Amino acid sequence: DQQVKQNSPSLSVQEGRISILNCDYTNSMFDYFLWYKKYPAEGPTFLISISSIKDKNEDGRFTVFLNKSAKHLSLHIVPSQPGDSAVYFCAASGVGSSARQLTFGSGTQLTVLP
Amino acid sequence: NAGVTQTPKFRVLKTGQSMTLLCAQDMNHEYMYWYRQDPGMGLRLIHYSVGEGTTAKGEVPDGYNVSRLKKQNFLLGLESAAPSQTSVYFCASSYQVQETQYFGPGTRLLVL
Repeated sequence: DQQVKQNSPSLSVQEGRISILNCDYTNSMFDYFLWYKKYPAEGPTFLISISSIKDKNEDGRFTVFLNKSAKHLSLHIVPSQPGDSAVYFCAASGVGSSARQLTFGSGTQLTVLP
Repeated sequence: NAGVTQTPKFRVLKTGQSMTLLCAQDMNHEYMYWYRQDPGMGLRLIHYSVGEGTTAKGEVPDGYNVSRLKKQNFLLGLESAAPSQTSVYFCASSYQVQETQYFGPGTRLLVL
């Protein structure tokens, strides 16, 4: 039973356009959410995070939106660049002892076409 | 400042063999983690440690053991490898809980 789901295995976007990656979760105890980016043969690298007390967090070209009632978060990349082509994982953690563990989605392969 | 390093980068084992994967971090982080990544599954937590001398089970701990004898090192052991343990293994560390986890480059393990 996947608690964090990324239903789109892949996404292709034209350079300069907006990329929107989606993530759904089922555990209402999750209160902290992160996005990681992964290039082939490398480890994941942290991109951006959001706490459940917020509904939006921005960092340059990257914005994460959180809709708690829908248990949905999304990552917007504007404008998309070819160097953004990578696998993007969303992850979540909860309160108490579960705060120590990140639960990851299965990832979305983003391809930005020049 | 190397961050998180993993040894080895790639290994082939026969069923029943044992091996140890080494993770080292130079950021003085308290928390360390071992994950495995399988196609279509994302990353799943195997074991983690909240400090030197402590370990705890994650989501998929069966068939693995870990040790954290020194703060900077976190070892993952496979006592009797099985083909189901063919995977890419990532180590990560963080300073505090719910803070950014920094990942190593991964170890690709093939069990025949």
